[in-house]
Amino acid sequence: QKEVEQDPGPLSVPEGAIVSLNCTYSNSAFQYFMWYRQYSRKGPELLMYTYSSGNKEDGRFTAQVDKSSKYISLFIRDSQPSDSATYLCAMSSGANSKLTFGKGITLSVRP
Amino acid sequence: DSGVTQTPKHLITATGQRVTLRCSPRSGDLSVYWYQQSLDQGLQFLIQYYNGEERAKGNILERFSAQQFPDLHSELNLSSLELGDSALYFCASSVEMGQFTDTQYFGPGTRLTVL
Repeated sequence: QKEVEQDPGPLSVPEGAIVSLNCTYSNSAFQYFMWYRQYSRKGPELLMYTYSSGNKEDGRFTAQVDKSSKYISLFIRDSQPSDSATYLCAMSSGANSKLTFGKGITLSVRP
Repeated sequence: DSGVTQTPKHLITATGQRVTLRCSPRSGDLSVYWYQQSLDQGLQFLIQYYNGEERAKGNILERFSAQQFPDLHSELNLSSLELGDSALYFCASSVEMGQFTDTQYFGPGTRLTVL
């Protein structure tokens, strides 16, 4: 079993939809949870960063962590065509521990 | 634009060869990370340097090596290349204490194709 599993997708939604992207993990030591967005032919960029459990909101994006279920989610409200990208979850057990990434899911938002 | 530059953008070479990938971090960033991204393995951490010193190692093969120079640019050397080494190689940099949880800024990547 891989340490981090992410729905493989791809995912296609109409503009304005609410998108839910999810990752599960097996390592209970993970404490830091991140979501990266990667546009085609570009490097990943940090979108959201959460420490431990709970929710964090930034504009149309909400990151949710449920450590008891070892499950994290990224919600995108009022999705836009510009949100079309690959989304990768990443996790770490400590500040000096490497990031472990999910394989990423490609999202397409149709105008 | 993240401010991290990587050269070359594309590299096509043959099995058994050796290549060098170059990364210039954002101005002021002391930490450099190297990652490999392939379709089957996803994005995997290879190695990190902080202010010229190796800080952490990930899934880096013995055929691969890296260094960070006094001007903070970094090079990733890949030798005895195999078909399976074909991938996107990303460099990232961060400004703070070289911790993985610092915001990492990724470069555009080098696409390596081994024929």
